[in-house]
Amino acid sequence: GNSVTQMEGPVTLSEEAFLTINCTYTATGYPSLFWYVQYPGEGLQLLLKATKADDKGSNKGFEATYRKETTSFHLEKGSVQVSDSAVYFCARKTGANNLFFGTGTRLTVIP
Amino acid sequence: EAQVTQNPRYLITVTGKKLTVTCSQNMNHEYMSWYRQDPGLGLRQIYYSMNVEVTDKGDVPEGYKVSRKEKRNFPLILESPSPNQTSLYFCASSFYSSGTDTQYFGPGTRLTVL
Repeated sequence: GNSVTQMEGPVTLSEEAFLTINCTYTATGYPSLFWYVQYPGEGLQLLLKATKADDKGSNKGFEATYRKETTSFHLEKGSVQVSDSAVYFCARKTGANNLFFGTGTRLTVIP
Repeated sequence: EAQVTQNPRYLITVTGKKLTVTCSQNMNHEYMSWYRQDPGLGLRQIYYSMNVEVTDKGDVPEGYKVSRKEKRNFPLILESPSPNQTSLYFCASSFYSSGTDTQYFGPGTRLTVL
């Protein structure tokens, strides 16, 4: 069935620290995978996506690689900034054009 | 400016009083969807629409109705709201071509049912 499991938060990091937020999925086949970001008081925005196995999505210094062997799509950033403080959602495509979201991980970056 | 708008942004109402949350997009998207966001549960899909007059249930449709009479609008209707529908609601839209097109989200509607 559809399942996306995200690392539970909240996550608090100092500025310039390395970030990893884990995401694994269950699927038959190879669904497209996404990371969305929700800044305080706003709707979700697409951060990056990967449409097939071994693809790497990247944007704004964030990266995630679609790994079919481990059914994972972990989000990474080498050096976080205070402005990266937000809630991050991993999602997979299901049927039609629908998205199934993980529960979200709140990131707080402190100066 | 390309955008998804929702109204109202905030609403406090009482149990049983019918309400409608409007959603409108100006990007000529075929696909539109409603989600609710609850702490610890992430976003869950309520209903979606792949085009005018085509709607279908998502994962949590009970207590909600939708309609898609025009391409740009996709209102969410709560005929008899209950306190368990207190939540943050998001509308989203996208093109429906390859199925991997970016979904654009509205700013959210925070609903409280007393």
